[in-house]
Amino acid sequence: NAGVTQTPKFQVLKTGQSMTLQCAQDMNHEYMSWYRQDPGMGLRLIHYSVGAGITDQGEVPNGYNVSRSTTEDFPLRLLSAAPSQTSVYFCASSPGTSGYNEQFFGPGTRLTVL
Amino acid sequence: DAKTTQPTSMDCAEGRAANLPCNHSTISGNEYVYWYRQIHSQGPQYIIHGLKNNETNEMASLIITEDRKSSTLILPHATLRDTAVYYCIVRPNQAGTALIFGKGTTLSVSS
Repeated sequence: NAGVTQTPKFQVLKTGQSMTLQCAQDMNHEYMSWYRQDPGMGLRLIHYSVGAGITDQGEVPNGYNVSRSTTEDFPLRLLSAAPSQTSVYFCASSPGTSGYNEQFFGPGTRLTVL
Repeated sequence: DAKTTQPTSMDCAEGRAANLPCNHSTISGNEYVYWYRQIHSQGPQYIIHGLKNNETNEMASLIITEDRKSSTLILPHATLRDTAVYYCIVRPNQAGTALIFGKGTTLSVSS
């Protein structure tokens, strides 16, 4: 199993540009989530999904959209990038629907918005 | 949300046991204790979790006090590859509840 994969690993955007961060898992996990990690602030939950077709907001959803058309994929879309969205983004998946079980994290996408 | 308190840093000699403490004095009855670690520039890695009983897996042991107000993560034979930031997290079994990673404990294992 590849586990949780994320692309791209690095990305530089200009303010106002849009882009999609890709996340995929091959473990047939129902629960998937997106976090961002900023220096001194730990990880913060952006959006999560408890299964295909179901998504919900986390702590810091503004400026981000998600969709879950398949069990495997959970892309994160930045609609109009802002410098405040400069961060490291982690995708995670977990068996079950609550995230209670072990969460597997991807390697991260390092995003810089100029 | 319950909060956790961990020492900022700890040192351990390679081959010795590393005992990482965590205080969670305001933990609620439905909240589990989780431990994750993050090696520099990598995604967090799950280690272990428990509710009130002690737990052991291939990576570590988790000792939770009877009043559940504190816990200790034990790495029985630390190696250089165990050098990382270790996070103690409390979280209920509820969808949409974030894993709240605080500052954690930076464990440095040296030879």
